[in-house]
Amino acid sequence: GAVVSQHPSWVICKSGTSVKIECRSLDFQATTMFWYRQFPKQSLMLMATSNEGSKATYEQGVEKDKFLINHASLTLSTLTVTSAHPEDSSFYICSAREDGLMNTEAFFGQGTRLTVV
Amino acid sequence: GNSVTQMEGPVTLSEEAFLTINCTYTATGYPSLFWYVQYPGEGLQLLLKATKADDKGSNKGFEATYRKETTSFHLEKGSVQVSDSAVYFCALTSGGYNKLIFGAGTRLAVHP
Repeated sequence: GAVVSQHPSWVICKSGTSVKIECRSLDFQATTMFWYRQFPKQSLMLMATSNEGSKATYEQGVEKDKFLINHASLTLSTLTVTSAHPEDSSFYICSAREDGLMNTEAFFGQGTRLTVV
Repeated sequence: GNSVTQMEGPVTLSEEAFLTINCTYTATGYPSLFWYVQYPGEGLQLLLKATKADDKGSNKGFEATYRKETTSFHLEKGSVQVSDSAVYFCALTSGGYNKLIFGAGTRLAVHP
């Protein structure tokens, strides 16, 4: 199946700094990618829908100025956690579905564990 | 809005036992339904899916049938193995981007 690669797989940063997480579709094009956040032993919460060439669509309650999303190309979306705080520590996961195939499998990255100290 | 409700875990079973994880949904229109599995420390993998009513998805011995009349998509396996220990998520597609909406997840622990 198609591969979605997320980088880094884990990161530790100091409070107040910013962290960028990359999500790449390696062998297919994805106009739309999705960013999720997962708390320990909990489900995935959709944060935003990333759209190539336009602004991301954020879910209710997600701060768009804190979680900056840039969909730079048809194979790359980035999530930047700005001015990170310990409460931002979480597991962040991206997913992508191949363009034009709306009801097919969404492929997930391996996730990024962010720890803010 | 659209939502997914799963049975709470953890579910603890002995090897070769029968597994059922209940999933019900609320949705407008005709969503596609999915089961994803997450092994410890890993991302999600698609286990099976069904795109219309009465479809049965199956994979690796797991099955689930899209029941529109009961808005359910229960996951079943006749004989679980220790290697099936993981967290299972029921999900549906929703909205213009067909974004995935997940249930809370059910942790399965299978003991020898």
